[in-house]
Amino acid sequence: GENVEQHPSTLSVQEGDSAVIKCTYSDSASNYFPWYKQELGKRPQLIIDIRSNVGEKKDQRIAVTLNKTAKHFSLHITETQPEDSAVYFCAASWVNTGNQFYFGTGTSLTVIP
Amino acid sequence: DAGITQSPRHKVTETGTPVTLRCHQTENHRYMYWYRQDPGHGLRLIHYSYGVKDTDKGEVSDGYSVSRSKTEDFLLTLESATSSQTSVYFCALRDSTSYEQYFGPGTRLTVT
Repeated sequence: GENVEQHPSTLSVQEGDSAVIKCTYSDSASNYFPWYKQELGKRPQLIIDIRSNVGEKKDQRIAVTLNKTAKHFSLHITETQPEDSAVYFCAASWVNTGNQFYFGTGTSLTVIP
Repeated sequence: DAGITQSPRHKVTETGTPVTLRCHQTENHRYMYWYRQDPGHGLRLIHYSYGVKDTDKGEVSDGYSVSRSKTEDFLLTLESATSSQTSVYFCALRDSTSYEQYFGPGTRLTVT
C-alpha cells in the first residue's frame, strides 16, 4: 500500500515568516493530495488540495506544490500569523476509486508573535 | 461541516465492555471512513465503507467491526474494549463529486 512520510514533525517560525512542510509518497498511482489543518481539540479541516495533473495551487497565503517525478509535495504558508498555529497533515489518495486516504504523521506548527 | 455528526462525543467505559460509536451524515455520500488518532501516529484508518453493506478493512482493523445498513449511518463497534483502544475516533466522508474528505467532530473514548 501507500506510505506517506511528513517532515518536519515540529516547526516554529516568527510571525510574518514563511513555513514549509514536506511530504513524500511511495505509490505512483496516487493522484490526489489534500492538506488538513487541525487546531487543538478540533477536527481536521481541509485547507487546500492538489491533483496530479497540476504542479502548483495557491489560495491566498497558502500554496501546495507537487513533484510527481520525485513523488513529493509541499505546503507553503507565507506571512504566517499566530492563528496559523496548528497541526498540519498531508495525505495521498486516488480520485477515481475513492477508497483509502493515507496520512502523514503531522507537523505541529507554532507561530511566535 | 458537510452535515456529519458523531455520537457520543465522549465516552468512558471499562475493559471488556462492548462499545458502539455512531456516525451520521445528511448528504447521501457513498464513501465513509472511521479513523483513530493517537499522538505520534496521525490518523489511521480502521474501516471504510463504499456503500450500504459494503465495507472493507483499514490498517488498524483488529478489534473493531463496522456496519452500514443505511447510507446515512456508519457504526463502529468495539466488541470487547481494551485500554489500547483509548483514542479519539473520527468519522469522515468523501464528497461524491469533489472527492474531498470531510471529518466529523470526533469521539473521545477512554477505556479504563
